[in-house]
Amino acid sequence: EVQLLESGGGLAQPGGSLRLSCVGSGFNFSNYAMSWVRQAPGKGLEWVSVINDRSSSTNYAESVRGRFTISRDNSKNTLFLQMNSLTADDTAVYYCAKGPVARQLGPWGQGALVTVSS
Amino acid sequence: DIQLTQSPSFLSASVGDRVTITCRASQAFSSSLAWFQQKPGKAPKLLIYATSTLQSGVPSRFSGSGSGTEFTLTISSLQPEDFATYYCQQLNSYPLTFGGGTKVEIK
Repeated sequence: EVQLLESGGGLAQPGGSLRLSCVGSGFNFSNYAMSWVRQAPGKGLEWVSVINDRSSSTNYAESVRGRFTISRDNSKNTLFLQMNSLTADDTAVYYCAKGPVARQLGPWGQGALVTVSS
Repeated sequence: DIQLTQSPSFLSASVGDRVTITCRASQAFSSSLAWFQQKPGKAPKLLIYATSTLQSGVPSRFSGSGSGTEFTLTISSLQPEDFATYYCQQLNSYPLTFGGGTKVEIK
């Protein structure tokens, strides 16, 4: 069974930084692209970023480009999201997801809450 | 960017009803459209991908169809466990985008 477990969420100050991690199991992590998707409180879903299997290609939503960096460590089956220059608008639950692959994005982890507030 | 507009944004229905949710795209694309179900406090769950392919384990009362700029999710007979929020997503091009969601509530 595919499992994804996020960690690293918490409270950050405006202008601060936070690093999220997502450990994958139950599949060959190094063979798949991986994504981050976020959901602000009471709002819809917003795709954030994607990284391919070998870390040779990344893509970002315009809202986070230049501030967030996606990376991965295939030896540890771990996906990362480094978030810098955080603002209140970045407050959300952040989900990691397997893919996209074969026109699918999923399954998803349980999410990590990031709150940006002074 | 491909914008996705879902309608309705809110739907009140009874158990046993047939329910249809529409997702309209700002530009035409191929079959790279998915549907997710989300219940409060939970991660979204993939229901349908490639417009009409049912994810393993998803009940057959769920179906998807469409092409070009208009796609639909149909629940043939609404069950109590189906009351949730539904999102469409396009995987045709980056940035990946989601519709605004359709909340299905009990009438």
